[in-house]
Amino acid sequence: AQSVSQHNHHVILSEAASLELGCNYSYGGTVNLFWYVQYPGQHLQLLLKYFSGDPLVKGIKGFEAEFIKSKFSFNLRKPSVQWSDTAEYFCAVSARDNNDMRFGAGTRLTVKP
Amino acid sequence: KAGVTQTPRYLIKTRGQQVTLSCSPISGHRSVSWYQQTPGQGLQFLFEYFSETQRNKGNFPGRFSGRQFSNSRSEMNVSTLELGDSALYLCASSSTSNPSDTQYFGPGTRLTVL
Repeated sequence: AQSVSQHNHHVILSEAASLELGCNYSYGGTVNLFWYVQYPGQHLQLLLKYFSGDPLVKGIKGFEAEFIKSKFSFNLRKPSVQWSDTAEYFCAVSARDNNDMRFGAGTRLTVKP
Repeated sequence: KAGVTQTPRYLIKTRGQQVTLSCSPISGHRSVSWYQQTPGQGLQFLFEYFSETQRNKGNFPGRFSGRQFSNSRSEMNVSTLELGDSALYLCASSSTSNPSDTQYFGPGTRLTVL
């Protein structure tokens, strides 16, 4: 079965700083990759997803992620964070042929105003 | 369009009891997945139902079971509750069972086992 590692448990940044959250997965087959965000007191929401095609995926709110197959990575980036980006971010992976989604442990992002 | 709804939102039970949680997917969605979220284990996949059939199952004991009705609403049952079952149980729905369909999450049911 697939598994996901998120290396950063808590990241603290100042507004306008650049963000990169690491995500690595292990699975021998073809995968679908996702980043979800959970703002304080809100539901999990999809930020972006990758299935095929261009490995650089753009999502909502200025986020993007790059799938690097050789590194089994799907890192999330944002050039300039805002205070409103304070949230918990989850990377997830599912095998191409099923909906069994495995989540990473999550990274808590705190953006200082 | 109304989102995914889960009832109840909060539940307190004692060890040994059983509990049933309910999930109503977004109208028109036929796939429902369940997840358990705990501080220690994070988000873990429980199972997925599509057209009243269980399609995938995570690595949980048989005490965890579910079902889906013809209107796509789903229930999850946990029998013989243990302290470690205390968690936020999340339900997500998608149009079909195709992984390319986005899953939309509900607010969760917070279960506390005393």
